[in-house]
Amino acid sequence: GENVEQHPSTLSVQEGDSAVIKCTYSDSASNYFPWYKQELGKRPQLIIDIRSNVGEKKDQRIAVTLNKTAKHFSLHITETQPEDSAVYFCAASSTDYKLSFGAGTTVTVRA
Amino acid sequence: DTGVSQDPRHKITKRGQNVTFRCDPISEHNRLYWYRQTLGQGPEFLTYFQNEAQLEKSRLLSDRFSAERPKGSFSTLEIQRTEQGDSAMYLCASSNAQAFQPYEQYFGPGTRLTVT
Repeated sequence: GENVEQHPSTLSVQEGDSAVIKCTYSDSASNYFPWYKQELGKRPQLIIDIRSNVGEKKDQRIAVTLNKTAKHFSLHITETQPEDSAVYFCAASSTDYKLSFGAGTTVTVRA
Repeated sequence: DTGVSQDPRHKITKRGQNVTFRCDPISEHNRLYWYRQTLGQGPEFLTYFQNEAQLEKSRLLSDRFSAERPKGSFSTLEIQRTEQGDSAMYLCASSNAQAFQPYEQYFGPGTRLTVT
């Protein structure tokens, strides 16, 4: 099955700086890569996703890049704000139903 | 709130008891998923339904676990003879297989199960 590894496990950044989270996947058939944000005690929220026919996607301060050859994808958050503090999960899927998640990255934005 | 809802939000039970959780998906979504999340980990896929049909079950779903979606709307997840290792957050998600973006899954707030 699919194995997704996520790094780093924790990330502390100064407000206004950028944050980058990296994930690798094992199944070359994976074609869908979503990112979820989970605040303490709340549900995972889909913040951005990318499909394998696209190399990069941007939505305001967040962007995701995908390198299919290397089987890795990354989340970039620019101009970080305190409300960006949360746990971020990457996931990968080779089907249209089963998501395989990374272990998560706890992001802390220092004011 | 028109998102995915789950009930109860918290459940404490003694080892050996049976528990049942309910999930109500977003109304137009025909797919419903169950995941389990333990502390410090990402959600793990358990099973999913398209309408009322259960189409795949993870090997994580032992024979003590059963899920149903009898009318293709809400779903229930039952755990029989609970064990301490069942303590986790049980998340439900839904999606619309006919949508332009069928892959997008939207999660509920979860049911946190504690087995004492």
